[in-house]
Amino acid sequence: DIQMTQSPSSLSASVGDRVTITCRASQRITTYLNWYQQKPGKAPKLLIYAASSLQSGVPSRFSGSGSGTDFTLTISSLQPEDFATYFCQQSYSIPLTFGGGTKVDIK
Amino acid sequence: QLQLQESGPGLVKPSETLSLTCTVSGDSITSTSYYWAWIRQPPGKGLEWIGSIYYTGSTFYNPTVKSRVTISGDTSKNQFSLKLKSVIAADTAIYYCARCDRYSGGSCYPDYWGQGTLVTVSS
Repeated sequence: DIQMTQSPSSLSASVGDRVTITCRASQRITTYLNWYQQKPGKAPKLLIYAASSLQSGVPSRFSGSGSGTDFTLTISSLQPEDFATYFCQQSYSIPLTFGGGTKVDIK
Repeated sequence: QLQLQESGPGLVKPSETLSLTCTVSGDSITSTSYYWAWIRQPPGKGLEWIGSIYYTGSTFYNPTVKSRVTISGDTSKNQFSLKLKSVIAADTAIYYCARCDRYSGGSCYPDYWGQGTLVTVSS
């Protein structure tokens, strides 16, 4: 199985901050990497697919980059509605696997 | 607008079978572009893919549950279902159904999710 490791596991930030979350795969997955946002009591929402493609309807302040084993999700200017937990997921091979999550809360 | 809705018992006794159904509206489970997946999340924890089904009936399962799980589809009702037998307390989780934009060999990424349903395993 491909292991996905996210860092940090949590961070505190202020509205307007630039936030970067990292995801590392245990083996090369080219660009088969996706990012999700989850708010308390809600289902995950797809933000980024194929490492850098923005899902329809997702604000452009969200961006993704990386290939191979190292990937990044960046929020260019954190908004109040962005406080949530973020997960990465590899779609290179089954079993599909997710990172452990990064909780972004208010500083 | 695509909607997925999970339904089924919220409480299952240990050693019994967990059964859930996902009703899909706004798309067809016979679409050639997607798998249809089950994913679970123990309270306060991370996400685990359980398995997926394709319109052909092909299924793909996580080895962690493969011996206990069956995913099936009912095209007449546009539903797909999960059965997990011999449940234990560790199977307590929020269970999500999702549409999964497919690549080959069972690989995909979930692009739309149901709201999830909490299933508790307890006597």
